[in-house]
Amino acid sequence: KQEVTQIPAALSVPEGENLVLNCSFTDSAIYNLQWFRQDPGKGLTSLLLIQSSQREQTSGRLNASLDKSSGRSTLYIAASQPGDSATYLCATDVYALNFGKGTSLLVTP
Amino acid sequence: DTGVSQDPRHKITKRGQNVTFRCDPISEHNRLYWYRQTLGQGPEFLTYFQNEAQLEKSRLLSDRFSAERPKGSFSTLEIQRTEQGDSAMYLCASSPQGDEQFFGPGTRLTVL
Repeated sequence: KQEVTQIPAALSVPEGENLVLNCSFTDSAIYNLQWFRQDPGKGLTSLLLIQSSQREQTSGRLNASLDKSSGRSTLYIAASQPGDSATYLCATDVYALNFGKGTSLLVTP
Repeated sequence: DTGVSQDPRHKITKRGQNVTFRCDPISEHNRLYWYRQTLGQGPEFLTYFQNEAQLEKSRLLSDRFSAERPKGSFSTLEIQRTEQGDSAMYLCASSPQGDEQFFGPGTRLTVL
């Protein structure tokens, strides 16, 4: 069974810092890896999808990389803002998504 | 594109009652998924449909749970004889064939 782990579990940074969220997975036989954002009590917002043949994807201040051979993905957030405060979840899929527990990010003004 | 919608957004029920949730996927998305999320955890897969066919069910989906997707459009998730352990956020997602999944706002279930 695929195990997805996210480190750190929580992170607090001052506004403007660049930061990296880590995701590791045990089974490299995946189709896609997807990063999500979740605000308290809300549903999930898709941030980036990396297909298994790709190495990275970028959207605005976000950049996600994928290394299937080592079972790792990172989400890089540039110039963090208080509005980035949320829980960030990574998930791998074969047909359904296997999620980590998330990294709770707080960006302080 | 109006996104994935779920109804109701919140449901409070007493133990032993039956509840039903509805999910309307993004139009023309032929895959529809149900997940359950408890506090502090990532979502866990329950079941998914390819059009009207239910292709996979998790071991989490006990006999008290049933899901349908008639005509391959909206889907319903019913929980019979609810238990306090069923309290969770129930999330629905849809996708084109095997691609990026888009989630709805969820239904928060509280079983008293």
